[in-house]
Amino acid sequence: DAGVIQSPRHEVTEMGQEVTLRCKPISGHDYLFWYRQTMMRGLELLIYFNNNVPIDDSGMPEDRFSAKMPNASFSTLKIQPSEPRDSAVYFCASSSWGRYEQYFGPGTRLTVT
Amino acid sequence: ELKVEQNPLFLSMQEGKNYTIYCNYSTTSDRLYWYRQDPGKSLESLFVLLSNGAVKQEGRLMASLDTKARLSTLHITAAVHDLSATYFCAVSSGGGADGLTFGKGTHLIIQP
Repeated sequence: DAGVIQSPRHEVTEMGQEVTLRCKPISGHDYLFWYRQTMMRGLELLIYFNNNVPIDDSGMPEDRFSAKMPNASFSTLKIQPSEPRDSAVYFCASSSWGRYEQYFGPGTRLTVT
Repeated sequence: ELKVEQNPLFLSMQEGKNYTIYCNYSTTSDRLYWYRQDPGKSLESLFVLLSNGAVKQEGRLMASLDTKARLSTLHITAAVHDLSATYFCAVSSGGGADGLTFGKGTHLIIQP
């Protein structure tokens, strides 16, 4: 299995631009999670989906952030407009019901200048 | 609000020594996770502990869970340089599978 796939691996953009991060979960997994890691705040859960339906988005910082999962094999996290404080590593993870273990993707390092 | 505290946050030790990382959490939890992260890399799952008294071991690492004390430990036996990394504990408070609340991580350096 290829594991969780994220793209791009690195993104540098200017303040005010729209940023879209992409994730392909492990085939057969029905849970998908988006996390953010920064030095100041550590690892934070942003949102998670079950069977493509958002279950908990209480960690999404602002209305500038949105996430979708149009099908079982693809999810996006969009930031519009981006701000320098959004600079972080964004991880996608997936799991399956009853297995509990969450498998993390390689992450997307976002830099907003 | 679920809170997860790890200590120490930084640990420098010599090869061959034993040490323990502690993870306390604030509310009842179904599951306790330990992850390893190398610099610039993703998170690697080490252990998932599901019940009170659970103990799991892999090589020189052993994790245990005391749900009554809301405490998990990660014990390192006869440390080797390759175990240098940041170790995170994380807790899930819901049923099924849900999002994790992470501790701040323990940055472990093992010197030859």
